[in-house]
This record gives sequence, C-alpha cells and structure tokens, in this order.
Amino acid sequence: GDSVTQMEGPVTLSEEAFLTINCTYTATGYPSLFWYVQYPGEGLQLLLKATKADDKGSNKGFEATYRKETTSFHLEKGSVQVSDSAVYFCALSDRSGGGADGLTFGKGTHLIIQP
Amino acid sequence: KAGVTQTPRYLIKTRGQQVTLSCSPISGHRSVSWYQQTPGQGLQFLFEYFSETQRNKGNFPGRFSGRQFSNSRSEMNVSTLELGDSALYLCASSLARDVGWDEQYFGPGTRLTVT
Repeated sequence: GDSVTQMEGPVTLSEEAFLTINCTYTATGYPSLFWYVQYPGEGLQLLLKATKADDKGSNKGFEATYRKETTSFHLEKGSVQVSDSAVYFCALSDRSGGGADGLTFGKGTHLIIQP
Repeated sequence: KAGVTQTPRYLIKTRGQQVTLSCSPISGHRSVSWYQQTPGQGLQFLFEYFSETQRNKGNFPGRFSGRQFSNSRSEMNVSTLELGDSALYLCASSLARDVGWDEQYFGPGTRLTVT
C-alpha cells in the first residue's frame, strides 16, 4: 500500500536558519503530494501541494518539488521564524484507483524555532 | 465563509461505552472524511462520505462507523470503546470535484479520552 516516510524530530533551529524536512513516498499510482502544518491546539492546514512530477509547490516562503525519480517531496525554507514552530506533515493522495481516496500521512515532524 | 466545525471539542468516556462525534463541513462541500490522530500511529484515514454514502474506508474495525446527512453534516460513532481509541479525531471536508485534485479542509478536531 501507499506510505510516506519523513524525519520525525523534534527539529530545533535558530531563527533565520535554513530548513529542510525530508519526505519520501511509496505509491502504486501517480499521487498528488502535500505538506500540511498543525499549530498547537488546531487542525491541519494545507501549506503547499504538487499534483504532478517536477511541479514545485510554494507558500509563505516554503517550497517543495515533486521528484518522481527519487520519490521525494522535501520541504525547504530559506529563513525560518519563531512563528514557523509547528508540526509538519507530508501526505499523498493516490486517486489512480478512482474516487476521493483518503490522504496517507507521514508521522509528522515537530519543528521548534528558537529566537 | 465558516470553516469546518466539530463538536464536542473534548470528551471523556469509559471503556465499553459508545460515543458520537459531529462534523459540519464548509458550506457547499459535499465530501466529509474522518481521520484518527494518535502519538503512536499518527494520522490514519477512517472513512469518507459523499452524498450520504460511504465512498471509501480505511483499515479500522467495525466498531467505527459513520453517516452523512442530506445537508452534508456527518457523524462518526465508536461503539464498545477501548483505551486505544483515545485520540484526536479530525474531520475534513472538500468540494468533491469529479476530476482533478480536491483540497481537504480540516476542522480543529475532537479530543477523545477513554478511561
């Protein structure tokens, strides 16, 4: 079945540092890929998405590129802020079988940014 | 436009009891999905409802069930509660377009504690 693997952390960085959170996936079809963010006490918010190979998703300074050859979708940001502290989830949706299949999530990466 | 709402936000139940959680999707959204989030297993897909019919289902026992009403509101029920059912239950709604990728919007979740 489909699966997503990501570094679990916690990842602790200083403000303005460069961020990379690795994500790799296994899927039988041609999935769409997502990064979601969860702030304390809240539900998940979609951060960015890519629906086909070589697509780059971007939002709020975060970027991720859909790499089919390495089955990866790593999240990057050039300069993190304290407000970026949250849990980040990599996810995929494999609709090759038809219908709105549920999202498959990684375990989440807890990011802590220190001032 | 109001977001996805879930009630109640917190719930404490005893082993063996049953529980019903409620989700109101964003106005105009036709699909509602449910997810269970635990520290050990992470985020796992429970089921998805569209037009009052269960369209997709994850790998959970029959104690977990749901339904959707004609106004797209959804409920999920867990019978004969076990300690391992303690989790954050997240609901997500989407437009359910016929083709292409379909963004899911998540509610804040219901925190269920089983004692």
